[in-house]
Amino acid sequence: DTEVTQTPKHLVMGMTNKKSLKCEQHMGHRAMYWYKQKAKKPPELMFVYSYEKLSINESVPSRFSPECPNSSLLNLHLHALQPEDSALYLCASSQSPDTQYFGPGTRLTVL
Amino acid sequence: ELKVEQNPLFLSMQEGKNYTIYCNYSTTSDRLYWYRQDPGKSLESLFVLLSNGAVKQEGRLMASLDTKARLSTLHITAAVHDLSATYFCAVDIGRNYQLIWGAGTKLIIKP
Repeated sequence: DTEVTQTPKHLVMGMTNKKSLKCEQHMGHRAMYWYKQKAKKPPELMFVYSYEKLSINESVPSRFSPECPNSSLLNLHLHALQPEDSALYLCASSQSPDTQYFGPGTRLTVL
Repeated sequence: ELKVEQNPLFLSMQEGKNYTIYCNYSTTSDRLYWYRQDPGKSLESLFVLLSNGAVKQEGRLMASLDTKARLSTLHITAAVHDLSATYFCAVDIGRNYQLIWGAGTKLIIKP
């Protein structure tokens, strides 16, 4: 089973809202990732968790706050986003270092 | 500078034809990935190439890796419409599971 699940599939939020994206995997992978992808572009790495510890934060604005409650779960907390943050947010996991398996993504629109 | 260059960036071809997508990278790496992305969807892992001379095939797609030339190719044989998608290569730079992504090749196969 190489499934990574993400919720919600779609999210529309105002610039003053607080929301969270959720990602789950049950493959026993020790590395989990958040990516942001704009249309017609490759994914951009935001955060990497390795063994539940944040190992990479690619200079992401503080309005994005990751959390890894346990080895299977990854959250991305969103607060005071800007319209330019509208994008597809992808979660991935891997048995490090190895193929990253991506979830279906959350399509985020910030109004 | 770490760079991964794909070409072409856009390819329109007829069914039944053969073609090759190229992925050049600027740094030493022994691990290269190919992913497929359908419009509005997530990324699907196609191949991981682990060593010089590695060749992998799945259906009408064949990928190869030349680490000395820092070049990978994705060859499409007798293309069919279902292969229409955007194809990304990504290089493992051996640093905290980070991948450097190519810009993607948008492939359109006309019946």
